[in-house]
Amino acid sequence: GAVVSQHPSRVICKSGTSVKIECRSLDFQATTMFWYRQFPKKSLMLMATSNEGSKATYEQGVEKDKFLINHASLTLSTLTVTSAHPEDSSFYICSARDLSGQGNSPLHFGNGTRLTVT
Amino acid sequence: QKEVEQNSGPLSVPEGAIASLNCTYSDRVSQSFFWYRQYSGKSPELIMSIYSNGDKEDGRFTAQLNKASQYVSLLIRDSQPSDSATYLCAVNRSGGSQGNLIFGKGTKLSVKP
Repeated sequence: GAVVSQHPSRVICKSGTSVKIECRSLDFQATTMFWYRQFPKKSLMLMATSNEGSKATYEQGVEKDKFLINHASLTLSTLTVTSAHPEDSSFYICSARDLSGQGNSPLHFGNGTRLTVT
Repeated sequence: QKEVEQNSGPLSVPEGAIASLNCTYSDRVSQSFFWYRQYSGKSPELIMSIYSNGDKEDGRFTAQLNKASQYVSLLIRDSQPSDSATYLCAVNRSGGSQGNLIFGKGTKLSVKP
């Protein structure tokens, strides 16, 4: 089945540094990938839609200059949290849909990245 | 009004019983509905998808959709301790790009041996 790989699974960084998270679709191509964030005991919130070869679309309230998204190929999207602060500590999850699937085919999620900013 | 609502639980059922999870949504034109299972500290895993009114069965799982009532449910038969997790209801946002899902907060299920 379709697999989405996310790396790293866990990262601890100091306040003010930047962290890059990679999301790869391993056996399918994805022109669109989605980045979610989940705070403890809260639901997944869509942060942005990553579009291959063009600018990402950000949800209301998400700072595009802080959460840089690059989707350079049909199988790779990256999310960079710039100048991270403790309030950015969260579980970040990427997802993608197999292009060859039906219009209603479901999302496949990566394993998530637990970011802790000290 | 929240877009996708679920009872946060916890819902506790004995092993072997039927667990019933419920979800309501506000956007009447939503077309696609999904149930995901999420273990603590892990990413969601797709359990069921349903697109038309009625029931859809897959093994021990049955999804039920009633668009008139804007209601979708998940039944888990012969519940096992390994089913203990948080179950997320997700609805495809109408007019959004594929995969632009709105998630409920999830219902925590605990299956007691």
